[in-house]
Amino acid sequence: DQQVKQNSPSLSVQEGRISILNCDYTNSMFDYFLWYKKYPAEGPTFLISISSIKDKNEDGRFTVFLNKSAKHLSLHIVPSQPGDSAVYFCAASAYGTYKYIFGTGTRLKVLA
Amino acid sequence: NAGVTQTPKFQVLKTGQSMTLQCAQDMNHNSMYWYRQDPGMGLRLIYYSASEGTTDKGEVPNGYNVSRLNKREFSLRLESAAPSQTSVYFCASYRGSDTEAFFGQGTRLTVV
Repeated sequence: DQQVKQNSPSLSVQEGRISILNCDYTNSMFDYFLWYKKYPAEGPTFLISISSIKDKNEDGRFTVFLNKSAKHLSLHIVPSQPGDSAVYFCAASAYGTYKYIFGTGTRLKVLA
Repeated sequence: NAGVTQTPKFQVLKTGQSMTLQCAQDMNHNSMYWYRQDPGMGLRLIYYSASEGTTDKGEVPNGYNVSRLNKREFSLRLESAAPSQTSVYFCASYRGSDTEAFFGQGTRLTVV
């Protein structure tokens, strides 16, 4: 039972345009959400997070939106750059459980 | 500042052999985790240790054991390796609940 789902395995975007990566979850107890970026042969690195008390969090070119009623979050990258080409994972946890569940990842390719 | 260090980086095992993957963090984090990454499956939680002295099963614990040796070190043991355990293994540490993880570089394990 996949509690965190990323239904798009891959996405291609032109440089300078917006990249939108989506993530759905099924567990209503999840209250903290994170996005990670992963380059080949490296470990994932933290990108941005959002708590369930918010519906938006921004950090530079990266914005995460949370729609709790739809159990959906998205990551917007504006403007997209070739260096953003990587695999992006969303992750979720419920406070106090210490379990962080990851999605299957979306491979983003930004075309120059 | 090394962060999270995993050893070895690569390993080839024969079916039935045993081995231990080592992980150490120097950030004084309480929680440590082992994940495996497989194509199309994302990052799946094997075991985690919320704090020194405790360990708990994740999503895919079968065939693995763990030891939280001290606050810094968290090892993953395969007692009798199987080809299904061919994967890339990542160790991560978290300061606490609702914080981001720091990942190691990964161990690429092949079981033949």
